Amino acid sequence: AQSVTQPDIHITVSEGASLELRCNYSYGATPYLFWYVQSPGQGLQLLLKYFSGDTLVQGIKGFEAEFKRSQSSFNLRKPSVHWSDAAEYFCAVGAGSNYQLIWGAGTKLIIKP
Amino acid sequence: GAVVSQHPSWVICKSGTSVKIECRSLDFQATTMFWYRQFPKQSLMLMATSNEGSKATYEQGVEKDKFLINHASLTLSTLTVTSAHPEDSSFYICSASLGMNTEAFFGQGTRLTVV
Repeated sequence: AQSVTQPDIHITVSEGASLELRCNYSYGATPYLFWYVQSPGQGLQLLLKYFSGDTLVQGIKGFEAEFKRSQSSFNLRKPSVHWSDAAEYFCAVGAGSNYQLIWGAGTKLIIKP
Repeated sequence: GAVVSQHPSWVICKSGTSVKIECRSLDFQATTMFWYRQFPKQSLMLMATSNEGSKATYEQGVEKDKFLINHASLTLSTLTVTSAHPEDSSFYICSASLGMNTEAFFGQGTRLTVV
């Protein structure tokens, strides 16, 4: 069955430190992968996406993610976090047969001053 | 990118009344929209897939008679929570895609509180 796993429920990092949020997926075909961010009480905003080509994709707000087929992973990274990055981050996979996305449980990012 | 507008952003209603939430694609036509529910500190739970001109497809465990979905045009889908109860209080979010396996664009969400 198709699934997305975000192993970390929450992560705390200091402002200015680097960040990596993990995402693993289970999907039979070539995945279409997404990272979204949700600020409290808000809808979701797309950070970046992978469809094909270069496995290292750049997104908005200084985020990047690397698709590793051998590890079934699509981890999100940022070299230096800012306090405004505190939010909930969701990884998702395009399900293929329709427009539906399969969602991870989310990782809450907490920034220490 | 494409814009999806959801209205209202928050609503408080009395138990037993019905509430309608609108989801509009402002600059594109969306043959398919999705309605999600999100509980505090949890991920998105897909409630139903809304298809223009046909009946919505509900996920298992979602009461179709309680959560009425209408997708009458290519730019508008509505979710009506009928006879709302306090346990229906939640954050409801809609989304629409430009095509299969493309990114989803989300509305701002609607915070429903039933008192």
